[in-house]
Amino acid sequence: QVTLKESGPVLVKPTETLTLTCTVSGFSLSNARMGVSWIRQPPGKALEWLAHIFPNDEKSYSTSLKSRLTISKDTSKSQVVLTMTNMDPVDTATYYCARIQVSGDYDIHDYWGQGTLVTVSS
Amino acid sequence: QSVLTQPPSASGTPGQRVTISCSGSSSNIGSNTVNWYQQLPGTAPKLLIYRNNQRPSGVPDRFSGSKSGTSASLAISGLQSEDEADYYCAAWDDSLSGRVFGGGTKLTV
Repeated sequence: QVTLKESGPVLVKPTETLTLTCTVSGFSLSNARMGVSWIRQPPGKALEWLAHIFPNDEKSYSTSLKSRLTISKDTSKSQVVLTMTNMDPVDTATYYCARIQVSGDYDIHDYWGQGTLVTVSS
Repeated sequence: QSVLTQPPSASGTPGQRVTISCSGSSSNIGSNTVNWYQQLPGTAPKLLIYRNNQRPSGVPDRFSGSKSGTSASLAISGLQSEDEADYYCAAWDDSLSGRVFGGGTKLTV
C-alpha cells in the first residue's frame, strides 16, 4: 500500500524558512521509475507545482520559485524534504507531496499525500 | 495566471455530458502528454486521466480525455452528483523545464 505523508510547521512567520518533510511507504525512493513532487494550493486557488526529485538525484524547480526552493531526499529514511526560504503571507497554502511514476514517454502523479496547511503570519 | 488555460467553471444536470477544455502551447501540450486530476471538496487531487486519454483502473469509463495540437479536453458523460469537483489539467513544459497545471475548472452538477 503506497502512502505519502507531509509533516512540518502549521504556522511560520514572514521571512522565516519553511521545512517540509514527505515520508513515503509502500515504495522505495531508490526505484528508478519513481520520483516525488511537491505541489501547493493556496486556499481557494489552483494547484502549483514546486519541485521534483528522482532517485538519480535529478531535481527540477518551478522557474518562478527556484531561488527559494531546495529539494532533497534521504532514501534510508524514505523521506523527501523541501525547504522554502523567505516565506511571505502569499505562500500560505496546503502543501502536497505526490509520487511520480515514470513509464515510457509519460509520467503521472499517481499517489498524493493528504496535504498540510501552512499559514504564514506574524 | 496559469500556463494552461481552463474555464473557471462548468455545469450540467444529471445524465448530461460536459466537456472541459485545457489550452496550452507548443512547449507543453503540443509536445507532451496531458494528465487530468479530480479534486473533490476538502481532499487531495486524484489522477483521473493520464497520457491524454488513458484511465487508471477504477476510474469509470464515463470519463474520457482527448488531445489535439496544443489543446486537450476532458469529457464526462452521464453526469452524476458525485462528479461535482474541481478538475485540473497538467503537462510538462519544455520551455520552463517544469510541470504546469491549469487554473482548474469547478464543475457544478
